[in-house]
Amino acid sequence: TQLLEQSPQFLSIQEGENLTVYCNSSSVFSSLQWYRQEPGEGPVLLVTVVTGGEVKKLKRLTFQFGDARKDSSLHITAAQPGDTGLYLCAGGNAGGTSYGKLTFGQGTILTVHP
Amino acid sequence: DTEVTQTPKHLVMGMTNKKSLKCEQHMGHRAMYWYKQKAKKPPELMFVYSYEKLSINESVPSRFSPECPNSSLLNLHLHALQPEDSALYLCASSQVFLTGANEQFFGPGTRLTVL
Repeated sequence: TQLLEQSPQFLSIQEGENLTVYCNSSSVFSSLQWYRQEPGEGPVLLVTVVTGGEVKKLKRLTFQFGDARKDSSLHITAAQPGDTGLYLCAGGNAGGTSYGKLTFGQGTILTVHP
Repeated sequence: DTEVTQTPKHLVMGMTNKKSLKCEQHMGHRAMYWYKQKAKKPPELMFVYSYEKLSINESVPSRFSPECPNSSLLNLHLHALQPEDSALYLCASSQVFLTGANEQFFGPGTRLTVL
C-alpha cells in the first residue's frame, strides 16, 4: 500500500508570510498533483509534476518534485487570505493494481489571517 | 469546457429513501470517479469507471450503486443509507490513465445528509 505523508496538518499564519507544505513517501509515483479545496467545494487542480527534480511556478506558488519522485513540496510566497483552504497532494500510479488511482496525503489546512 | 458538474448541490434523505446523485463532464474524458469525503479529510475513492465499464470498486457497501449511462454521465444511486454515510460526495473525471499523470478534475460535490 502506497502512503503519502503530508505535513504540517494545520498552518495558521499572517498575511505576507511564506510557508512550505511537504509530501513524503517511501514509494515512487509517476506523477504528483496538488489540489486546493475550499469548504463545501470540490478540489481544484493547481499543478501536476511528472519529472524528477521538476519545478513549476504558479504566481506566488512554487511546486517541486523530488529527484527520486518520492516527495514533493509546495511553497507559497507572501501568503494572502485568499490562499486559505485545504491543500492536498496526490500521487498518481502508472500500473499494477493501483492503476488509475490517486494516493492522497492527509491534507494541510491553511489559514491566512489579514 | 473544463468543468465537471454535479447535481444536486445538497441532499437530505431518510434512511428508507432512494435517491440518485448525478455527474456530467464534457471534456471527452473516458475515466470517471466517485469519491466520499468527510470534513477536513482527503477524498476516499469509491468507484472508477473506464470506458463506461466499472473497473474499480473499493469494497463499497451495496447500498451505493454506481451507473455510467454514457461517456459523459455518471450516477450514484443511494438506498437505505445510514447516518454515517453523510458526507460530501465528489465526482471526478480524467483521461484514461495512459502515462500515470492522472490529472483528475473534480466537480463541486453533493453535500449529503442522512437522517
